[in-house]
Amino acid sequence: QLVLTQSPSASASLGASVKLTCTLSSGQSSYAIAWHQQHPEKGPRYLMKLNSDGSHSKGDGIPDRFSGSSSGAERYLTISSLQSEDEADYYCQTWGTGVVFGGGTKLTVL
Amino acid sequence: EVQLVESGGGLVQPGGSLRLSCAASGFTFSGYWMSWVRQAPGKGLEWVANIKQDGSEKYYVDSVKGRFTISRDNAKNSLYLQINSLRAEDTAVYYCARVGGAAAVYFDYWGQGTLVTVSS
Repeated sequence: QLVLTQSPSASASLGASVKLTCTLSSGQSSYAIAWHQQHPEKGPRYLMKLNSDGSHSKGDGIPDRFSGSSSGAERYLTISSLQSEDEADYYCQTWGTGVVFGGGTKLTVL
Repeated sequence: EVQLVESGGGLVQPGGSLRLSCAASGFTFSGYWMSWVRQAPGKGLEWVANIKQDGSEKYYVDSVKGRFTISRDNAKNSLYLQINSLRAEDTAVYYCARVGGAAAVYFDYWGQGTLVTVSS
């Protein structure tokens, strides 16, 4: 069964960097994922598709501050030079037999 | 500019029906798989259904099979979701999303959503 696990919350200071983690279930370490950002009361925004080898393709207009990387079953979203507008929920998503989302990580910018 | 605009949400009684619509613009609608994704109040995202470019293939999450029907009209650049036998747990914001990949199901554009509330 395809499962994505995310920490419920994360925090980092303005101007700092933060690395969010999405963990694929056992046996699925070759899967690609996508990262999405969602501000309160807004529709999600696609950030990037992230492959198992760490290569990624970002969505239109996504700043260079957002990057992705992979290690085994872990998929990471790194946001550098944190800005106040980065405070949002971040979801990872993958596909196989159906489509699965992680539970989301609420990022607080201190 | 890609735009997806949902409509058709509202308050409906348990057991009722509703038809959601999504108007697409800014891209060749007939060239993409499309999806519906929902989000219950205060909860995470849940994929609901996908439809192939020509409507010949449709896939659903188990919890809506037999009650929801996804469809599209490529001439009108529109995506639809017919939702029947509504239950309280179907209360959610429903998002229309474009599937970005050819062999990969990830959502590269999203609408702003339409709220469906199931309550007596």
